[in-house]
Amino acid sequence: AQTVTQSQPEMSVQEAETVTLSCTYDTSESNYYLFWYKQPPSRQMILVIRQEAYKQQNATENRFSVNFQKAAKSFSLKISDSQLGDTAMYFCAFMILNNDMRFGAGTRLTVKP
Amino acid sequence: NAGVTQTPKFQVLKTGQSMTLQCAQDMNHEYMSWYRQDPGMGLRLIHYSVGAGITDQGEVPNGYNVSRSTTEDFPLRLLSAAPSQTSVYFCASSYSGTGRATNEKLFFGSGTQLSVL
Repeated sequence: AQTVTQSQPEMSVQEAETVTLSCTYDTSESNYYLFWYKQPPSRQMILVIRQEAYKQQNATENRFSVNFQKAAKSFSLKISDSQLGDTAMYFCAFMILNNDMRFGAGTRLTVKP
Repeated sequence: NAGVTQTPKFQVLKTGQSMTLQCAQDMNHEYMSWYRQDPGMGLRLIHYSVGAGITDQGEVPNGYNVSRSTTEDFPLRLLSAAPSQTSVYFCASSYSGTGRATNEKLFFGSGTQLSVL
């Protein structure tokens, strides 16, 4: 079974600091895709970053970057220079090629001024 | 562009009632899906479709029916609502659903808050 685990239900960080959100997953597949989605209080799901499992290079998107450790099945998200607008629920997800996308339970991040 | 449109945004049902959650996308996406979001459990896949006339079950399909008669629409039906179906429901779509296309991602609707009393 494919599972995604986010072990930090809640986290907080001071504005302008760096925070890392953890995610581990379990799958027997070798080819898959990993995602981090952000859900602000508006409830809208917003894609933050995406990583292809066959790529060794870690994905980056402006202040957001990932640390992808395929052997350890770990996919953490680092947010640099945290901003108040980063306050949201963050979901880790992965998708295998049969269209089955699985989400973790989420981490609630609060950025404090 | 409207993207993925879900209606209604809020709904209250009594146990045993039926209803249909509507989902439409105007991006000509082949793949569409329904998720439910419950506190502490993230999003769980209910049903998905890889094209008109094709549907399949996800992780939690019981109590829900879907159909895909057109590329644009993917309604979710609750035939006899139960309190356990109280949740936030999201519809999502993507180009193919396989992730193979460069930068492919899921586009989500704004969600439907459903309460079953």
